[in-house]
Amino acid sequence: AQTVTQSQPEMSVQEAETVTLSCTYDTSENNYYLFWYKQPPSRQMILVIRQEAYKQQNATENRFSVNFQKAAKSFSLKISDSQLGDTAMYFCAFRLNAGNMLTFGGGTRLMVKP
Amino acid sequence: SAVISQKPSRDICQRGTSLTIQCQVDSQVTMMFWYRQQPGQSLTLIATANQGSEATYESGFVIDKFPISRPNLTFSTLTVSNMSPEDSSIYLCSVEDWGAQDLNEQFFGPGTRLTVL
Repeated sequence: AQTVTQSQPEMSVQEAETVTLSCTYDTSENNYYLFWYKQPPSRQMILVIRQEAYKQQNATENRFSVNFQKAAKSFSLKISDSQLGDTAMYFCAFRLNAGNMLTFGGGTRLMVKP
Repeated sequence: SAVISQKPSRDICQRGTSLTIQCQVDSQVTMMFWYRQQPGQSLTLIATANQGSEATYESGFVIDKFPISRPNLTFSTLTVSNMSPEDSSIYLCSVEDWGAQDLNEQFFGPGTRLTVL
């Protein structure tokens, strides 16, 4: 079974600064997908970024980028130029293939301060 | 990408009663998932629902407590039966669909916040 661990329950960052959220996972599989989801107070789960394990290049999506270290089973999220609207819970998630469930980490509550 | 709606958005129920949560998708999807998010916690999968077959439940969840229907490719219901305060959670419906860049993604509904007194 796969497990996902987020070691930072809460983090804060000043507006316009950069913050990195940590995620580690455990699997014996070689091919899988990793995701970061954002859950603002509205409860809506929003996909921020995804990474295919077979791709060596780190995924980027505007101000969001990941540092994917497959050997270390690490998948951190970097948010650049933080905005007040980035305040939310962030969940790291793992999935084997299409049609499989998502396994979520415990979440990191991020507060962006003005 | 799929657009998902859930009804009700929230409810307050008495212990011992049951509540049925509806999930409606604007397109036909094969895989539908039901997750539970207890207060301050992460998401845990309850079951996977495919049209035309019995739902597959994860460890710790049973059909008698969480019966699921999947009558067609755009709709599913989750019932929380004989509720207790421990069932107070957010229940989220999720589907697999093709998102941006033709990548298979999981999309989530807005969730149903259930409080059991």
